[in-house]
Amino acid sequence: DVQMTQSPSTLSASVGDRVTITCRASQSISGWLAWYQQKPGKAPNLLIYKASTLEGGVPSRFSGSGSGTEFTLTISSLQPDDFATYYCQQYSNYRTFGQGTKVEIK
Amino acid sequence: QVHLQQSGPGLVKPSQTLSLTCVISGDSVSSISATWTWIRQSPSRGLEWLGRTYYKSKWYNDYALSLKGRITIIPDASKNQFSLQLMSVTPQDTAVYYCARETDAFDFWGQGAMVTVSS
Repeated sequence: DVQMTQSPSTLSASVGDRVTITCRASQSISGWLAWYQQKPGKAPNLLIYKASTLEGGVPSRFSGSGSGTEFTLTISSLQPDDFATYYCQQYSNYRTFGQGTKVEIK
Repeated sequence: QVHLQQSGPGLVKPSQTLSLTCVISGDSVSSISATWTWIRQSPSRGLEWLGRTYYKSKWYNDYALSLKGRITIIPDASKNQFSLQLMSVTPQDTAVYYCARETDAFDFWGQGAMVTVSS
């Protein structure tokens, strides 16, 4: 199985901050990586796929980068609606998710 | 717009079979450009991909290795839905279960169903 490790597990930030979340794969997954946002009681919502392609309707303050084993999700200017948990997910070999990064209010 | 509507019991006894159904609207379970997936989420295991079904001239299934032998995903083109059957459940199978469509990634999800395994 490909293991996905996110860091940090929790991130405290303020509105307007630039936020970066890292995701590492246990082996190369090329660019087969997606990012999701999840709010309590809701299903995850797709933000980015193929490491850097923004899903339709997702604000441009979200961006993704990386390839191989190291990937990042950046929120350029954190907004009140962005406080949530974020997950990375690989789809190179079966499908596995990271453990999540909770972005909370500082 | 694609919509996935889940249904099924919220309580299952240990050793019995967990059964959930996902009805698709706005797309087709027979689509050759999508796969139809079950995912679950629990505090102990996080988000866990369970398996998928898809059609490319014939039906295919893939299952998580950890569940092989216990899981079956069944498409039903006549009702435009797909179902999950998980046999011999234990309390460790307690989770929120989601169905989802995968094209480039999991772009549409069902509303989620909390399933508790308890006697």
